[in-house]
Order: sequence, then structure tokens, then C-alpha cells
Amino acid sequence: KNQVEQSPQSLIILEGKNCTLQCNYTVSPFSNLRWYKQDTGRGPVSLTIMTFSENTKSNGRYTATLDADTKQSSLHITASQLSDSASYICVVSDTNAGKSTFGDGTTLTVKP
Amino acid sequence: EAGVTQSPTHLIKTRGQQATLRCSPISGHTSVYWYQQALGLALQFLLWYDEGEERNRGNFPPRFSGRQFPNYSSELNVNALELEDSALYLCASSWWGRGAFFGQGTRLTVV
Repeated sequence: KNQVEQSPQSLIILEGKNCTLQCNYTVSPFSNLRWYKQDTGRGPVSLTIMTFSENTKSNGRYTATLDADTKQSSLHITASQLSDSASYICVVSDTNAGKSTFGDGTTLTVKP
Repeated sequence: EAGVTQSPTHLIKTRGQQATLRCSPISGHTSVYWYQQALGLALQFLLWYDEGEERNRGNFPPRFSGRQFPNYSSELNVNALELEDSALYLCASSWWGRGAFFGQGTRLTVV
């Protein structure tokens, strides 16, 4: 059964600090992995998409990594800002048309 | 490309009524997922439709139902609304190679 597990469930950090969110998956055969940021009450917005051949991809202060061998991905946030407070969701898709598995998300709170 | 669109944006219903939520996927996407998200809580999987058929269902009572139309758009119906059904309902569409895309959600308030 395809599963996506995210950790930690929630995280509180001080403004300016770095943090790393984790996503482990068992989805197979793997097609791609997306990280989303969801502000409270809004729809999730895609931050980055990782395919099998990509190890690292950056989007501003967000850097995603993918280890397809261990089936792990991480989202690293550098120099956090108050606006980074949100839920971060990992979604992994397999090569079967349309099949995606969603993680439960990590809630990040950045405090001044 | 146009994104996933959901309607209405907000919906206010009275307890016991029925609510219908709509989702139009990105053109070419055959899969539609529905999620419920109560305020401050994680996404709760509701339903997955692909090619017009229900492929999987979350742990929700039968009064939560839906369908997918030939053009791949989808409806989520909630019958006999209860106060705890108040939540943000998110729709996502996907197609292999591109992953899933979310809509902005429908905020359902049951009073």
C-alpha cells in the first residue's frame, strides 16, 4: 500500500532560524514528489516538484532534496520568516495515471 | 494553464440541509481527490475519482458522496449536514508526470 509519512507533525522555530521537514514514502513506481505550502484557510500552493533524476531543487529560501534509493525527501527552509508559518504537505505520485498519495502535512510556526 | 477551480468559494448551510461542492480539474487531468480540512487540522482524505469511477474512499459516513462527470469535473455532496461538517473542502487533480494540483477550496459553514 502506498504511504507518505511526514515528520515532525508540528514544529515551532524562532524567526531567522533554519528548519528541515521530512517526507518518507513507499509509493511505487515513483513518478514525482511535490512539496506544497498551505496558508491557513487557503488551498495548498506548489513549492517544488522533484522527479526521479533530481536530487536537489531550490525555490528561494526553500530547498528540496530527494533520495530515490531510500525514498526520502526533505524540505529545508533557510532564514525563516513569520510568513513561513503554514502547513507543508508532501504529495507523491506514481506512474499509474493520476495516482497520488498525500502526506498529512507538517505545521510550521515561526515566532518573532 | 488554468488551475483547479472550485465553487462556490464560501457556502453557508443550516444543519440538516444538503451541500453540493464542485471541482473542475486542470485540463487533461483524469483524477480528482477530495479532502476535508477542519480549522487547524490536517487534511482528511474523502474520495478519489479517476476516469469517472470512485477508486477509493476515506473513513467518512455515507452521507458524504460524489461523482465524476465525463469531462472529469466532480461534485461532492454532503447530506444531512452536521455542525462538525464545517470545514475547508479541498479538491486536487492529478495526472502522471505532473503530480497533484490543489484548488483554493470551498469554505463550508454549517449553522
